[in-house]
Amino acid sequence: KAGVTQTPRYLIKTRGQQVTLSCSPISGHRSVSWYQQTPGQGLQFLFEYFSETQRNKGNFPGRFSGRQFSNSRSEMNVSTLELGDSALYLCASSSGDHGGELFFGEGSRLTVL
Amino acid sequence: AQRVTQPEKLLSVFKGAPVELKCNYSYSGSPELFWYVQYSRQRLQLLLRHISRESIKGFTADLNKGETSFHLKKPFAQEEDSAMYYCALSGGTSGTYKYIFGTGTRLKVLA
Repeated sequence: KAGVTQTPRYLIKTRGQQVTLSCSPISGHRSVSWYQQTPGQGLQFLFEYFSETQRNKGNFPGRFSGRQFSNSRSEMNVSTLELGDSALYLCASSSGDHGGELFFGEGSRLTVL
Repeated sequence: AQRVTQPEKLLSVFKGAPVELKCNYSYSGSPELFWYVQYSRQRLQLLLRHISRESIKGFTADLNKGETSFHLKKPFAQEEDSAMYYCALSGGTSGTYKYIFGTGTRLKVLA
């Protein structure tokens, strides 16, 4: 069974630009959630999508957005990048049930210059 | 407020010594509690969950609802236990479940 796949793995952007990250979940999983991982803040929840609908949202500004397609693949977009957006962005897929295990991708490391 | 607190950013112990990684949570309701682990150059992965009440790699964690804690313990630490550990809870009502993670504790097991 293929794991969660995230692309791109690494990217460098400059302030003011925008970026789109992609996540392909494990086959059969309908829930995809996104997290920002930084050394100081740990894992911070961005949002979760279930069957193409945003089910939960963290406390991030509106510059952070996402969507999910009918095949459960998900994308997240960050517009008007700031230096503080530099982080590892992790995607996780799950069945979406209460207490379901999260299966994480390797992450997309974003550096904003 | 809903939160998961891991008070230690870094915990260093010697090989063979007992280890306890602390986790406290604040949540109104009945959450599911988990420990996730990230070894060097590997993906974040589930270590154990309170509902299964099992021991994984020698680690156990007991949910104490009175103290709202879910500390991770191992009687004899091994060098391969060195990793980043995250405590997390899953809670909500039908259709609104979400995970809340702590800030993580880096465990270093010294030879």
